[in-house]
Amino acid sequence: AQTVTQSQPEMSVQEAETVTLSCTYDTSESNYYLFWYKQPPSRQMILVIRQEAYKQQNATENRFSVNFQKAAKSFSLKISDSQLGDTAMYFCAFMKHGSGTASKLTFGTGTRLQVTL
Amino acid sequence: DAGVIQSPRHEVTEMGQEVTLRCKPISGHDYLFWYRQTMMRGLELLIYFNNNVPIDDSGMPEDRFSAKMPNASFSTLKIQPSEPRDSAVYFCASSLAGRQYNEQFFGPGTRLTVL
Repeated sequence: AQTVTQSQPEMSVQEAETVTLSCTYDTSESNYYLFWYKQPPSRQMILVIRQEAYKQQNATENRFSVNFQKAAKSFSLKISDSQLGDTAMYFCAFMKHGSGTASKLTFGTGTRLQVTL
Repeated sequence: DAGVIQSPRHEVTEMGQEVTLRCKPISGHDYLFWYRQTMMRGLELLIYFNNNVPIDDSGMPEDRFSAKMPNASFSTLKIQPSEPRDSAVYFCASSLAGRQYNEQFFGPGTRLTVL
């Protein structure tokens, strides 16, 4: 079974600054996907960024980037130039890779990010 | 496409009543997932379907919970009888196998309150 750990229950960052959210996971799988989801107060789950385990290059999406360390089983999210709209819960999630098949997401407990003026 | 549609958005019921949550996946998607979000347990999978067939229901908490997918465009999650500890946000998500990353698209969720 897979586990995902987010050790920071809450974080705060000032507008325009950079913040990094931590995530570690445990799995015996060799190929998998990792995701960061954002959940604002509206509770909608929004995909922020994703990474395939066999790709060494770290994923980036505009102001969002990840630091993927496969050997250390670490998958941190960096948010640059933080904006008030980034205030939300952020969930790290793991999905086993299947050829032609889908699988469930295993979520961490989340990090509540507050962006302040 | 309208995305994943869930109804109702909010449900308040009394203990012992039957509750039915509904989900319409994105057209053409062949996987459908039901997740539950609570403060105590976070986000956890209840059950998922592939081509309308249940694949993994190991997350269904007990016999009071049942899920069906009678066709490719509709699924229900039923709780009978409901209990206060069932209060949670229930999410439905769908995906298309073979699509890059097997990305799951989430509905807006149903907030269930059992009094």
